Amino acid sequence: DIQMTQSPSSLSTSIGDRVAITCQASQDIRNYLNWYQQRPGQAPKLLIYDASNLQTGVPSRFRGSGSGTNFSFTINSLQPEDIATYFCQQYNALPFTFGPGTKLDIK
Amino acid sequence: QVQLQESGPGLVKPSQTLSLTCTVSGASVSTGGNAWSWIRQPPGKGLEWIGYIYYSGHTYQNPSLKSRVTISLDTSKNQFSLKMRSVTAADTAVYYCARGYGSGRMDVWGKGTTVSVSS
Repeated sequence: DIQMTQSPSSLSTSIGDRVAITCQASQDIRNYLNWYQQRPGQAPKLLIYDASNLQTGVPSRFRGSGSGTNFSFTINSLQPEDIATYFCQQYNALPFTFGPGTKLDIK
Repeated sequence: QVQLQESGPGLVKPSQTLSLTCTVSGASVSTGGNAWSWIRQPPGKGLEWIGYIYYSGHTYQNPSLKSRVTISLDTSKNQFSLKMRSVTAADTAVYYCARGYGSGRMDVWGKGTTVSVSS
C-alpha cells in the first residue's frame, strides 16, 4: 500500500492567517492526490482534486500544488468556517489511502 | 444534485455480519464512469477506504479487510451495499458511502452512519 504522511498533525492558527500543510507519499503518485476538509461531526468534503484543481464551489483561498511524492495545501486568509481537519488521499494505486489528517484550531 | 444516504443497523454483535446500504439520488449507479465507494472512520481516528464497485459490477476490496467484505450493486433500487462478516469491536466506526468521479476522486459523500460492534 502507498503510505501517506501529513505535516503538521495539528496547527493552532488565527483568523486571517495563511495556513500551509504538506503531504508526502511513500512512492510516486503522479498528480493523483485529493484534499478533503472534515468539519466536526460532518462527512469529508472534496476541496482539491488532481493535486491542484479546485472543486466546483470551493473558495479560491484554498490551493493545492505538487506532484510525484511531495504535495502542499494552503489556505489564504483563514476564515472561521475553515476550522476543521484536512486529509490528503492518493488514488494512483489501489487501495486508495488517506493521510492521517491535520487538525486546525484557533489560538 | 447528487445525494447519497447510508442506512443500516447501528448496533451489530461480535462475529455477526454488518450490512449497510447506500441509496443514491440525482444520479444513476448504472451510469459508466463512476465508482461507488465505502469508507470508514473509527472514533477519533482517520479515514480508511474499504472498497468500491463500478456500474459494471467490478469490485475491489481493501486487502486490509481480507476477505470479510462484499460490495454489491442493486440497479433497480439505485443502491449499493456493504457486507462485512465476522465483525469485532475494531470495526466500530462511522461508515460513509461516496461517489468516486472517475474512480478515486470522491466528490459526493453521504452523511455517514455510526455502527457499533458490541454484545
